[in-house]
Amino acid sequence: GAGVSQSPRYKVAKRGQDVALRCDPISGHVSLFWYQQALGQGPEFLTYFQNEAQLDKSGLPSDRFFAERPEGSVSTLKIQRTQQEDSAVYLCASSHLDTQYFGPGTRLTVL
Amino acid sequence: AQTVTQSQPEMSVQEAETVTLSCTYDTSESDYYLFWYKQPPSRQMILVIRQEAYKQQNATENRFSVNFQKAAKSFSLKISDSQLGDAAMYFCAWGRGGNTPLVFGKGTRLSVIA
Repeated sequence: GAGVSQSPRYKVAKRGQDVALRCDPISGHVSLFWYQQALGQGPEFLTYFQNEAQLDKSGLPSDRFFAERPEGSVSTLKIQRTQQEDSAVYLCASSHLDTQYFGPGTRLTVL
Repeated sequence: AQTVTQSQPEMSVQEAETVTLSCTYDTSESDYYLFWYKQPPSRQMILVIRQEAYKQQNATENRFSVNFQKAAKSFSLKISDSQLGDAAMYFCAWGRGGNTPLVFGKGTRLSVIA
């Protein structure tokens, strides 16, 4: 079956713009994670869903970051009023049996 | 808090040779999982190998094997018969399991020399 997909692959935003990043998990995977990966660093946890419930959002860096998964499948990570420090790769993963499978990520560049 | 340390920012290996990437971690928990992920320039994070902490036997996947030393909190990855396609960033990660977030190291960039 298909893996985790993310769109867009690249996003360029002007500072102050809002952006929305989409994640399609592997079919049947209950859990979904978002991570932020700065240049030259390992991914860092942002938030986690089990079905439609957001169980942990402790990693979201500010209240400008918002994530949702209304029907327990596709998830959207929204960043309001983007700032230059938001530039990073945003990775989505869905999980099965204690193992997370990642999408290709969205590279966000804020000018 | 859990931490994962990869002390080798860069490594290189000759094609067909063997290389070992180091990883240490810190946790007070007894049950957990450890992973090695490969991230090529395409950015797709690919699972290489996983290890359950309760298992004493080291995991192997074809040319990839680990040396898991629970008491020392060490989890190194050995790549045998290195191939050009092995060139990538390699990340070590720790997880509590049960669908909880992973904690990643900063990665090791592996170059394979033809």
